Amino acid sequence: GDSVTQMEGPVTLSEEAFLTINCTYTATGYPSLFWYVQYPGEGLQLLLKATKADDKGSNKGFEATYRKETTSFHLEKGSVQVSDSAVYFCALSDWTGNQFYFGTGTSLTVIP
Amino acid sequence: ETGVTQSPTHLIKTRGQQVTLRCSSQSGHNTVSWYQQALGQGPQFIFQYYREEENGRGNFPPRFSGLQFPNYSSELNVNALELDDSALYLCASSFQLGVGNEQFFGPGTRLTVL
Repeated sequence: GDSVTQMEGPVTLSEEAFLTINCTYTATGYPSLFWYVQYPGEGLQLLLKATKADDKGSNKGFEATYRKETTSFHLEKGSVQVSDSAVYFCALSDWTGNQFYFGTGTSLTVIP
Repeated sequence: ETGVTQSPTHLIKTRGQQVTLRCSSQSGHNTVSWYQQALGQGPQFIFQYYREEENGRGNFPPRFSGLQFPNYSSELNVNALELDDSALYLCASSFQLGVGNEQFFGPGTRLTVL
């Protein structure tokens, strides 16, 4: 079946460092891919998404490109801030749109 | 615009009991999904409802059941509770059924089964 595998955490970075959180997926057909973020004390919220191959999702300085050839959707940010400290979840909805799969989450802590 | 709300916030039950969790969708949203999130894990998809019908289901046994009402609010019912059912239960709504739609999550209900 479909699945999502993301980089284990926790990840600790200094402010202004470069961030990469790896995410790979297994899916039949053409899934949609998402990154959700959970800030401390808050609920899950969408960070960015891509619905077809080679699409790039971007938001708040974060980017991820839907790579079908490598079945990946890695999250990147060029310069992290303390306010980016959160748990990040890679997720997939299958080609029907009625099945959803989340990764285990990667905890990011950014220190000043 | 009111976001997704869930009740109760916390709940403690004993093994074998039944529980009902409730969710109010974000205004204008007709699709709702339920997830189970164990501590330190990602959300696991339980099922999705669209216009009062179950539209998709994850790998959960039949003792997990749901309802969606005409106002698009929803319930998750779990019968014969087991210790492993202890988790955070998340409700998420979306504007419409379809591929690639954003889901808006509620704060969750923390269920503890003793």
